[in-house]
Amino acid sequence: EDQVTQSPEALRLQEGESSSLNCSYTVSGLRGLFWYRQDPGKGPEFLFTLYSAGEEKEKERLKATLTKKESFLHITAPKPEDSATYLCAVQGSGYKLSFGAGTTVTVRA
Amino acid sequence: NAGVTQTPKFQVLKTGQSMTLQCAQDMNHNSMYWYRQDPGMGLRLIYYSASEGTTDKGEVPNGYNVSRLNKREFSLRLESAAPSQTSVYFCASSERTSGFYNEQFFGPGTRLTVL
Repeated sequence: EDQVTQSPEALRLQEGESSSLNCSYTVSGLRGLFWYRQDPGKGPEFLFTLYSAGEEKEKERLKATLTKKESFLHITAPKPEDSATYLCAVQGSGYKLSFGAGTTVTVRA
Repeated sequence: NAGVTQTPKFQVLKTGQSMTLQCAQDMNHNSMYWYRQDPGMGLRLIYYSASEGTTDKGEVPNGYNVSRLNKREFSLRLESAAPSQTSVYFCASSERTSGFYNEQFFGPGTRLTVL
């Protein structure tokens, strides 16, 4: 069974203080690893898809990387508007996405 | 282009009551999904529809039924609500390309409380 573990559960940062979120996974036949952002009271918003080890994608202050066992979401010089819960999900050989519980990031001004 | 819409946004039910959650997407996607989100547990798939006319059980289907009404609409029904079904429900849709299921786009959610 596909499994996704995200750490830490919560992360408090000062504005400008860069950090990384971890997503560890076990899956048979990875077809894709997805990162989402979720704001309180809203649905998840798609950020990135990574397909193979070594792949990297960037969007503004966010950069996602992928290895064979984990993915990192790096937040560079975060701003208060980057505060959100970040979700990681993997798609294996079937249709199903398996989600982690998420990392809640709070950025203080 | 509204994306994925869900109704209602909030609902309170008494144990044993029934209700239907509605979902519609205007992105012409073939695949649609229903998830529930509970604190500390992540999103869990309830039911899935690969294409119009097909539905499949996900990880936690007990107590739910679904209908893929047409390509745009996918509804979730609770026949006899239980307190364990108190949760936030999300509908999502995605396109399928050569056997791969691309990124899913989510609606705003329905917050359901069962007393």
